[in-house]
Amino acid sequence: AQSVAQPEDQVNVAEGNPLTVKCTYSVSGNPYLFWYVQYPNRGLQFLLKYITGDNLVKGSYGFEAEFNKSQTSFHLKKPSALVSDSALYFCAVRLGAAGNKLTFGGGTRVLVKP
Amino acid sequence: GAVVSQHPSWVICKSGTSVKIECRSLDFQATTMFWYRQFPKQSLMLMATSNEGSKATYEQGVEKDKFLINHASLTLSTLTVTSAHPEDSSFYICSAPRGGINTEAFFGQGTRLTVV
Repeated sequence: AQSVAQPEDQVNVAEGNPLTVKCTYSVSGNPYLFWYVQYPNRGLQFLLKYITGDNLVKGSYGFEAEFNKSQTSFHLKKPSALVSDSALYFCAVRLGAAGNKLTFGGGTRVLVKP
Repeated sequence: GAVVSQHPSWVICKSGTSVKIECRSLDFQATTMFWYRQFPKQSLMLMATSNEGSKATYEQGVEKDKFLINHASLTLSTLTVTSAHPEDSSFYICSAPRGGINTEAFFGQGTRLTVV
């Protein structure tokens, strides 16, 4: 079975400071990893994905994530956070053999303070 | 712009009535769509996989007679909450992958259902 863990329920950061949202995964094969962001009462917006290739993945709105196979992690990062980055962030994993079904982490609420 | 459209965005209904939620892929065909349920401040729980032209696949613990799913065309899946009760109040979200397993899924805007 595949699973995703986001150890932090909430991350607080000052505007302009680096932002990191943690994600670890557990799968029995090669993972396909995704980050999504959700604003209040909205669906999920895709940020970035790791399928194969370079471990550092760059995505939308200045976000990036690093795939670390040995630590089974896929942490989301942004060098300089904006107040508008305040939202709910979800890490998700898809096992290739399982088709398109995504398993989500519990979500991390990010609060960027001015 | 949005590639997956969900309607309505919010709905209030009386206990015992049924509510239908639509999920449309706007510029691509989706043989598979997914329906999720999200409780306040919680993650998304996959309810079922909607398959065009065949029966939906429900996750364990999800009542198929309660949550009817129809995927009659390659661009439309519907979720009908039958005989709704207050405990069915939740945020429902659909998603559709636009391509193969290497591609990301696109999500609808979500539907806030309140049963009174």
